[in-house]
Amino acid sequence: EAQVTQNPRYLITVTGKKLTVTCSQNMNHEYMSWYRQDPGLGLRQIYYSMNVEVTDKGDVPEGYKVSRKEKRNFPLILESPSPNQTSLYFCASSFGSSTGYTFGSGTRLTVV
Amino acid sequence: QKEVEQDPGPLSVPEGAIVSLNCTYSNSAFQYFMWYRQYSRKGPELLMYTYSSGNKEDGRFTAQVDKSSKYISLFIRDSQPSDSATYLCAVSNTGKLIFGQGTTLQVKP
Repeated sequence: EAQVTQNPRYLITVTGKKLTVTCSQNMNHEYMSWYRQDPGLGLRQIYYSMNVEVTDKGDVPEGYKVSRKEKRNFPLILESPSPNQTSLYFCASSFGSSTGYTFGSGTRLTVV
Repeated sequence: QKEVEQDPGPLSVPEGAIVSLNCTYSNSAFQYFMWYRQYSRKGPELLMYTYSSGNKEDGRFTAQVDKSSKYISLFIRDSQPSDSATYLCAVSNTGKLIFGQGTTLQVKP
């Protein structure tokens, strides 16, 4: 089944403890992207990647890191999480800008 | 000013009604236009995408783009209770994808 897989689905962590949310797609998509979704603010793009080793900032990149060493994987790294990064995170992938993204099921992160 | 404006609703209609959902965007550099549907506790699901002005139809759904006005619309015909969800418009250009805030739709039996 064609899909975007994120792990974990739920995560509670403490301020300052480094964490990684993994994202993998099995559709051979070139583009991958991370979003956070917050009430009243909607979905906002954190980082995106148009190919292996090519990444660029979205609208809210502060406090996040990404890497794209393989085509299928695009992990999101929070080096020092803070409570304002408590949110619902989505990973997505696409063949390109014109074809729309397929989204994962989401990771609900709580930073206390 | 937000790059994409969308009325958050909520919008409540009776079953069978025609639903009209609308967004405006500010930057004419955006070339691709999409509509997503999101059910509670789920990831957004792509409904339709287009890159040109005009209409695109898929079953009960019609997406409409007017680049001169920077206006995009989604029409749902013969709406069903299963259409109850949040509908998100999105605009895209070279990897960047900007979403509207989403409109919550409820279709009552």
